[in-house]
Amino acid sequence: QQQVKQSPQSLIVQKGGISIINCAYENTAFDYFPWYQQFPGKGPALLIAIRPDVSEKKEGRFTISFNKSAKQFSLHIMDSQPGDSATYFCAANNQGGKLIFGQGTELSVKP
Amino acid sequence: KAGVTQTPRYLIKTRGQQVTLSCSPISGHRSVSWYQQTPGQGLQFLFEYFSETQRNKGNFPGRFSGRQFSNSRSEMNVSTLELGDSALYLCASSNTGYDGYTFGSGTRLTVV
Repeated sequence: QQQVKQSPQSLIVQKGGISIINCAYENTAFDYFPWYQQFPGKGPALLIAIRPDVSEKKEGRFTISFNKSAKQFSLHIMDSQPGDSATYFCAANNQGGKLIFGQGTELSVKP
Repeated sequence: KAGVTQTPRYLIKTRGQQVTLSCSPISGHRSVSWYQQTPGQGLQFLFEYFSETQRNKGNFPGRFSGRQFSNSRSEMNVSTLELGDSALYLCASSNTGYDGYTFGSGTRLTVV
């Protein structure tokens, strides 16, 4: 019940395209859903986060869509750029600093 | 403002030894969490400290321990190292202790 399932494992998108990464959870007590971006040799960096009282949140080219009834949320990267090539992690939280992470998606944006 | 600082960046230890990793959180942040990252298991929560008290603990053996000092700096200790402990150990800090966690660049531990 504590798992967060993320798909796909890897994703290749053309420059200018839309990258979509999906996550699903089971624990309805989760109430904070962040997305992190990680480059090689670096720690994860917080991209954007959402709480279950909203269905969508947008920050620049990054949008989270949240479906509470389906217990799913997704990250959309609009106008994907080669500099977006990184590993993306979804996560969920309901207990202070205990983030439960998805397995990660390796995104490659081709020029 | 300065980010989360982890030292050292790299460590090579021998099986059976112990190791201590250090984390300096962002100034003013009272919550510090530790995570282990491996290719096979991904990012796994170790423990979280808030105002010097361990508030949450993950499913790791007792060889993994931590503490937090009054200035919010935190240390993590692994005793009797095993080959499987080779990983990137990440520290994250938060002002609220609930969200907005900022990660450091990690300590890469290799056990030989």
